[in-house]
Amino acid sequence: EIVLTQSPDTLSLSPGERVTLSCRASQSVSASYLAWYQQKPGQAPRLLIYGASSRATGIPDRFSGSGSETDFTLTISRLEPEDFALYYCHQYGNSRTFGQGTKLQIK
Amino acid sequence: EVQLVESGGGLVKPGGSLRLSCAASGFIFSTYTMSWVRQAPGKGLEWVSSISSNGHYIYYSDSVKGRFTLSRDNAKNSLSLQMNSLRAEDTAVYYCARDFKPQGVLAMPAGSWGQGIPVTVSS
Repeated sequence: EIVLTQSPDTLSLSPGERVTLSCRASQSVSASYLAWYQQKPGQAPRLLIYGASSRATGIPDRFSGSGSETDFTLTISRLEPEDFALYYCHQYGNSRTFGQGTKLQIK
Repeated sequence: EVQLVESGGGLVKPGGSLRLSCAASGFIFSTYTMSWVRQAPGKGLEWVSSISSNGHYIYYSDSVKGRFTLSRDNAKNSLSLQMNSLRAEDTAVYYCARDFKPQGVLAMPAGSWGQGIPVTVSS
């Protein structure tokens, strides 16, 4: 099983700032089958990024993903108030697993 | 509009069984890989099981293998998860999820989710 470790666990930032979230895999993620989700309290997850760097339908271009093999990042170029939420990375190339999540909170 | 509606959740005693269903509409069900993902109270997301579009390939997490059985009925646009030998650690909100794009050469993550249904395993 591929274990995904996200860092940090929690981030406190202000609207307008730039943020980079990290996801490290215990082994190489085949074909960059790495996705990022956003989840708000009481809601289902929302797909942001798939294939490590492709934005899902309707996702603003302030969200971008990068990385390969075992190291991946999600960058939000300029935080909007609605971006404060939980973020999960997810690999779907070798079975499927999720990272433990990073909480992005308002400073 | 894609709709995924879960049903069948509730309270069950340890060792008991429950069958979750997911009714799908708004897309061609038979062309998508479908999955269940769960979230324990206050915890992160955990993938449970996935089934290929034609039902020929089924995958389970180690935590549910041998206890849960996933199936689909493409004629009825429905997905089912039979959960046996339930444990307290199976307590979670269970989400039915559809892959982002129809099954093809490239693997896809879940892109559409139901609202989730709670399952509580407690005596």
